[in-house]
Amino acid sequence: GQQLNQSPQSMFIQEGEDVSMNCTSSSIFNTWLWYKQDPGEGPVLLIALYKAGELTSNGRLTAQFGITRKDSFLNISASIPSDVGIYFCAGQLWRDDKIIFGKGTRLHILP
Amino acid sequence: DAGVIQSPRHEVTEMGQEVTLRCKPISGHDYLFWYRQTMMRGLELLIYFNNNVPIDDSGMPEDRFSAKMPNASFSTLKIQPSEPRDSAVYFCASRLGQVQETQYFGPGTRLLVL
Repeated sequence: GQQLNQSPQSMFIQEGEDVSMNCTSSSIFNTWLWYKQDPGEGPVLLIALYKAGELTSNGRLTAQFGITRKDSFLNISASIPSDVGIYFCAGQLWRDDKIIFGKGTRLHILP
Repeated sequence: DAGVIQSPRHEVTEMGQEVTLRCKPISGHDYLFWYRQTMMRGLELLIYFNNNVPIDDSGMPEDRFSAKMPNASFSTLKIQPSEPRDSAVYFCASRLGQVQETQYFGPGTRLLVL
């Protein structure tokens, strides 16, 4: 089946540092989505991207839909303790109801 | 709105027993998805419904798994008989049409099969 390759798998950073993670695929996606999952909860949507090249911000978060439609990245600036969690990329193929998830990037923040 | 409601939140059972997970989607949402999350495989889509009709069950691991949606406000995922490798967190999500931003996940059911 379709796969999204998300990297890195985990990150250990200092509070205040910027974070970057990305997602690639061999398939062309119509929509890219970024979710965050807190411990014991379901994933929550952070940013949705619908156009190739689109750059969207949500507070300290910035995400871009790659020009080739096969990749996306998420940046977090000036990380804070509550940014800890698992970040998932997800994509929707053209004319497909469902979205496919990457395996997640686990973010750890050192005090 | 109360969001997507799942029950139970935790389930511990013995191998061979039947397990039933329940989901109440957000009122008015016409799509319902069942996912399974494990460390090894990440978040996998098991099956999804549109207007109570199963559309794609290709992610259901095997015949021991079955899902139903008898009406717009209720769905079940059943595992019979359960096996230790079924231990995972099972999420239900609902969505309004094709608007991805309206897809919301429930809190999940953490299943442990001994």
